[in-house]
Amino acid sequence: AQKVTQAQTEISVVEKEDVTLDCVYETRDTTYYLFWYKQPPSGELVFLIRRNSFDEQNEISGRYSWNFQKSTSSFNFTITASQVVDSAVYFCALSEAGGANSKLTFGKGITLSVRP
Amino acid sequence: EAGVTQFPSHSVIEKGQTVTLRCDPISGHDNLYWYRRVMGKEIKFLLHFVKESKQDESGMPNNRFLAERTGGTYSTLKVQPAELEDSGVYFCASSQDPRDTQYFGPGTRLTVL
Repeated sequence: AQKVTQAQTEISVVEKEDVTLDCVYETRDTTYYLFWYKQPPSGELVFLIRRNSFDEQNEISGRYSWNFQKSTSSFNFTITASQVVDSAVYFCALSEAGGANSKLTFGKGITLSVRP
Repeated sequence: EAGVTQFPSHSVIEKGQTVTLRCDPISGHDNLYWYRRVMGKEIKFLLHFVKESKQDESGMPNNRFLAERTGGTYSTLKVQPAELEDSGVYFCASSQDPRDTQYFGPGTRLTVL
C-alpha cells in the first residue's frame, strides 16, 4: 500500500525567510510519480511539480526547489525568500507510474503562513 | 483553455437529503477522478472514469454514493441519503492519459447538518 507522510502540520515564517516542507513516502512500486500541489485560500488545488522515480535530479523553479532522495524516500520542497502569497496548504502526493492505477495518494497537507 | 470546473461551490443540506455534485473536466480529457477531503484529513481518492466507464471505484465509501459520466464528458456524484460524515470538500480532477498529471477543480464544499 502507498502512504505519504507530511509530519509538519503548520508552519509560520516571516516574509523573506526560507522554508522547507517535508514529505516522506512509502510504496512497493518500482516506478512511481511524486507530486506537490498548492491549495491557496481560494480553495483550488494548483499543480506545482511532478517527479518520476527514475529521475532523482533536483529541480529549481524560481524561488521553489525540490529535493528528491530515493534513499530516504523523501521529496522535500523548499521555498526561498518566502512571500505572503506563498501562504497556502501544500500537499505532497504519490501515484503508481506506468499502469492504469493512477489514483493519487495524498499526505495530510502542511499549512504555511507567511507573515509580512 | 478552461480548467476543471465544479458546481456548486458550496452546498448545505440536511441529513437524509440528496445532493448532486457536478464536474466538467478539461476539454478532451478522457480521465476523470473524484476525491474527497474530510476536515483535517488527507484528500482521499473516490473513483476514476475513463471516458464513461468506471476504471476504479475502490474508494467509494458506500452505496449511498453514485457517480456517473454519461457520454464521457461531465460527471455527477450523487449522495443519497446524505449523512453527517459526508461533509467535506469534494474535488474533481482530469487528465488526458492516466499517466499524465491530474488537474484539479476548485472543489465543492458539502456541509450536512
